[in-house]
Amino acid sequence: DVKVTQSSRYLVKRTGEKVFLECVQDMDHENMFWYRQDPGLGLRLIYFSYDVKMKEKGDIPEGYSVSREKKERFSLILESASTSQTSMYLCASSYSAGRQGRNSPLHFGNGTRLTVT
Amino acid sequence: GDSVTQMEGPVTLSEEAFLTINCTYTATGYPSLFWYVQYPGEGLQLLLKATKADDKGSNKGFEATYRKETTSFHLEKGSVQVSDSAVYFCALSLYAGNNRKLIWGLGTSLAVNP
Repeated sequence: DVKVTQSSRYLVKRTGEKVFLECVQDMDHENMFWYRQDPGLGLRLIYFSYDVKMKEKGDIPEGYSVSREKKERFSLILESASTSQTSMYLCASSYSAGRQGRNSPLHFGNGTRLTVT
Repeated sequence: GDSVTQMEGPVTLSEEAFLTINCTYTATGYPSLFWYVQYPGEGLQLLLKATKADDKGSNKGFEATYRKETTSFHLEKGSVQVSDSAVYFCALSLYAGNNRKLIWGLGTSLAVNP
């Protein structure tokens, strides 16, 4: 079974802190994604990566950056946390179209609930 | 632009009731369609999918048919159980060149009472 592991289930940080959210997948997936999930807004894509050291902005990248130094690990960084970034963060991964076709499903971690005070 | 619209929740049903969650979409090109489910305290997981018009996806008693003429992908289950209580997300997938674009609905919360 595919496992996507997010390092923290709950996190409380102060405004202005630099925050790292870690995600590791064990299925050799090429693609990795960071979403945030907010009531009434659904899932919004922050960043994604198609390969090691590659990154692409999603729909709401402002205030975030990412790092993918190894294939299995995708980190989301909040450079200076703000209260507006209080949210549930979901990491996901999938095979590339070349390996499993164009409709490879996304596999999600259980989420990190981040509170910024 | 491309979009997915789901019926608003929450939906509350009694056990063994019939379930329909409506999903309609707007898309350029030929999208694939998905239903994902999020159980309490967990991430999303794929429930079913359909990749072309008239395809029917099915899993765990749930079904959805890709209707191009009505641009819909409604989720149905004949007899729900308490364990089906979750949030359900409709999504479409499109490719622009080699780049995959996923568009998500806002989710529909389902509560099933014994």
